[in-house]
Amino acid sequence: QVQLQESDPGLVKPSQTLSLTCTVSGGSITSGSYYWSWIRQPAGKGLECIGRIYSSGNTYYNPSLKSRVTISIDTSKNQFSLELTSVTAADTAVYYCARDHRGDGGWYGGIDSWGQGSLVTVSS
Amino acid sequence: DIQMTQSPSSVSASIGDRVTITCRASQGIGSWLAWYRQKPGKAPELLIYAASSLQSGVPSRFSGSGSGTDFTLTISSLQPEDFATYYCQQGDSFPYIFGQGTKLEI
Repeated sequence: QVQLQESDPGLVKPSQTLSLTCTVSGGSITSGSYYWSWIRQPAGKGLECIGRIYSSGNTYYNPSLKSRVTISIDTSKNQFSLELTSVTAADTAVYYCARDHRGDGGWYGGIDSWGQGSLVTVSS
Repeated sequence: DIQMTQSPSSVSASIGDRVTITCRASQGIGSWLAWYRQKPGKAPELLIYAASSLQSGVPSRFSGSGSGTDFTLTISSLQPEDFATYYCQQGDSFPYIFGQGTKLEI
């Protein structure tokens, strides 16, 4: 069973860059039909998709964050990463890495595996 | 972006009750809808995908239905671990959008 684990940046200062890495174990990040996603959740609020990446390196970003987001993948380490620049207090949230199951012909199997979440606080 | 609207935003129920939560998409999404349960302090867990397919390992008391713009999640007999927040999510196009959540309380 695949497991995902986020790194723990903890506190990030305003205007700086938030960096997170997700390590995938129990399966290969190059497995077909899976995208690797970042999702965040401010305290007491709902879920927001930040973006996702395929093993080929193709990326898809939420337009609301696109100008500040970069997602990358390192298949040799079975890891993928998130960078979010110019952070503000509004970026304070629990950040989840997750596996998104997408098959041929647009078939969609949901976000079937999640990391435990990493709380990132933006504060000086 | 496709908008997702869940109702109710909260519901009170008892052990053994049957509960239904609805989710409406702002435009047709076929059957590309998923449902998640999120317990406090935990990551969401996938319950239903493709509107009505039960994720492996999920109890059969959970069921989903619908297509196009209107979807429902039904829990046939509530168990203590079901008191949590539930989210729908459209998987038709990126960015995926989640509903605002339904908090199920005792």
